[in-house]
Amino acid sequence: DAKTTQPPSMDCAEGRAANLPCNHSTISGNEYVYWYRQIHSQGPQYIIHGLKNNETNEMASLIITEDRKSSTLILPHATLRDTAVYYCIVRLANAGGTSYGKLTFGQGTILTVHP
Amino acid sequence: DTAVSQTPKYLVTQMGNDKSIKCEQNLGHDTMYWYKQDSKKFLKIMFSYNNKELIINETVPNRFSPKSPDKAHLNLHINSLELGDSAVYFCASSQEPGTSTDTQYFGPGTRLTVL
Repeated sequence: DAKTTQPPSMDCAEGRAANLPCNHSTISGNEYVYWYRQIHSQGPQYIIHGLKNNETNEMASLIITEDRKSSTLILPHATLRDTAVYYCIVRLANAGGTSYGKLTFGQGTILTVHP
Repeated sequence: DTAVSQTPKYLVTQMGNDKSIKCEQNLGHDTMYWYKQDSKKFLKIMFSYNNKELIINETVPNRFSPKSPDKAHLNLHINSLELGDSAVYFCASSQEPGTSTDTQYFGPGTRLTVL
């Protein structure tokens, strides 16, 4: 799986949009971009994923650049409960063999939402 | 309703002891996982099982033995506990691992402390 690079930490004011960048310059054509987050002392939580088109769900939006070398997770109206570590993960679309279902977590970005 | 549950939540034990952590999912998923998060917060996969069959074993010491009595349960037994085994262990499950729609659901974690 391709490696990802994320800033170690970011701040955001409550009610504002939080834009979390991720660089994955070595991504290959059949690799998806996944985002998970981990709120303090809890298990990771799936947020969103995409291949090349922008995606939106009830939690967030995912913007992937045209060359697919980077992406941005957008939390449109951040709340204090969005304070967490956000992980950007690149993974094969059909990962068989020893990569079957495997998620490789990096260090992530610590997002702190303040009042 | 808890989707993925783990027991116990906290486990404190002496070096050399044998202990087990239990995991159950009520999502009807076929695949379950164990992840370890160490003191530096790195989250790494240990094992995955699909329909009670071992799929991934990430060079984990053989003191760790996962056991899947049925596809809703994946227990982790650890023999001869060492100080370095202190960590938070997360169980997860998913329905379509290795596909583009795979979403993993994580349990709340078990914090193991070896004294």
